[in-house]
Amino acid sequence: AQSVTQLDSQVPVFEEAPVELRCNYSSSVSVYLFWYVQYPNQGLQLLLKYLSGSTLVESINGFEAEFNKSQTSFHLRKPSVHISDTAEYFCAVQGNTGFQKLVFGTGTRLLVSP
Amino acid sequence: NAGVTQTPKFQVLKTGQSMTLQCAQDMNHEYMSWYRQDPGMGLRLIHYSVGAGITDQGEVPNGYNVSRSTTEDFPLRLLSAAPSQTSVYFCASSPGQGITDTQYFGPGTRLTVL
Repeated sequence: AQSVTQLDSQVPVFEEAPVELRCNYSSSVSVYLFWYVQYPNQGLQLLLKYLSGSTLVESINGFEAEFNKSQTSFHLRKPSVHISDTAEYFCAVQGNTGFQKLVFGTGTRLLVSP
Repeated sequence: NAGVTQTPKFQVLKTGQSMTLQCAQDMNHEYMSWYRQDPGMGLRLIHYSVGAGITDQGEVPNGYNVSRSTTEDFPLRLLSAAPSQTSVYFCASSPGQGITDTQYFGPGTRLTVL
């Protein structure tokens, strides 16, 4: 079985500051990792994912995450945030069983203020 | 394409009442699933379906029934609502079960059971 830990329930930052949202996972098998974003009153949208290959993955809106197998982490980073990045971010993991059964973390609310 | 649609957006029930949350997708996706989102607990899988006529239980299936008579629709039934079922419910779909198949989420149904 897999589990995901997002230690920070809320991260307040000022606009144009860098941010890191932490995600650690636990699994007895190889995993695939995902970050989803939920804007207010909307459903979840896939932000980025790691399946294989390069451990650094990027999204189209400037976020990136790095898969670190030794530290079992998949932290999400952005060098300069915008007000529009205010949302809840969920880390998710899936074991390599071939069947899509995501296990989600509890979420981190990113609050960007001017 | 409308994507994944859910109705209603909001619902208030009394304990013991029954209701059906509707979910539909127009992307011809085989895989559909229901999640509930509770504060501090992230998203948890209730039931899922890998195709018309095939359903299975997720992490928290008790108190919920599903059926999949068509590819497009995947309704979630609460036979006797309980306050513990107060939550936000998300339906999701993906082209298949493979890890490369991105899940698309609906906008959610906010359910309150009094």
